[in-house]
Amino acid sequence: DAGVIQSPRHEVTEMGQEVTLRCKPISGHDYLFWYRQTMMRGLELLIYFNNNVPIDDSGMPEDRFSAKMPNASFSTLKIQPSEPRDSAVYFCASSLVGWTQYFGPGTRLTVL
Amino acid sequence: DQQVKQNSPSLSVQEGRISILNCDYTNSMFDYFLWYKKYPAEGPTFLISISSIKDKNEDGRFTVFLNKSAKHLSLHIVPSQPGDSAVYFCAASEGDSGAGSYQLTFGKGTKLSVIP
Repeated sequence: DAGVIQSPRHEVTEMGQEVTLRCKPISGHDYLFWYRQTMMRGLELLIYFNNNVPIDDSGMPEDRFSAKMPNASFSTLKIQPSEPRDSAVYFCASSLVGWTQYFGPGTRLTVL
Repeated sequence: DQQVKQNSPSLSVQEGRISILNCDYTNSMFDYFLWYKKYPAEGPTFLISISSIKDKNEDGRFTVFLNKSAKHLSLHIVPSQPGDSAVYFCAASEGDSGAGSYQLTFGKGTKLSVIP
């Protein structure tokens, strides 16, 4: 079975550009989570969805960040405009009811 | 304020010996704990978990111990193998306590190196 799929795996962009990260959760999972990993702050939860509905977005750092889940098999995390301090690895994870989350391979974002 | 702390950024252990990774937490509402393992260029993968109603959970070479009074948990790997070399993250959740259910708070990780 395919795990969580994220694209792109690497993204290099210039400051001010729009960045869209994509995630396909494991089929049948009800929860989808977006995390950001940096050296300074470790793994931080940005937002999570239950049955496609955003439940808690208190971890989203600024209005420049937005996330959507238009259906059960797809979610996006958008940064507009991007800034160098947004450089990080962004992970998507999904889970069935419960605490065991399954992570994708991550997207390494570099904003120049 | 870090609610989950892994105070050792790295640990080196000889193959065949025991690896002990430690984790402390401050939020008394946490009642479910997990360990994840992460290899370079991959996402974290679930390793083992423990509920606050238990003080020990074992799965093969991996055992997690929970000391609620000390707000401390540890992961023991016996015997350690070179393939165990990875970054290990401790995570905690408030579980079914309402708002925040299923949210995980992660420590910053401990890099384990198992030397052949």
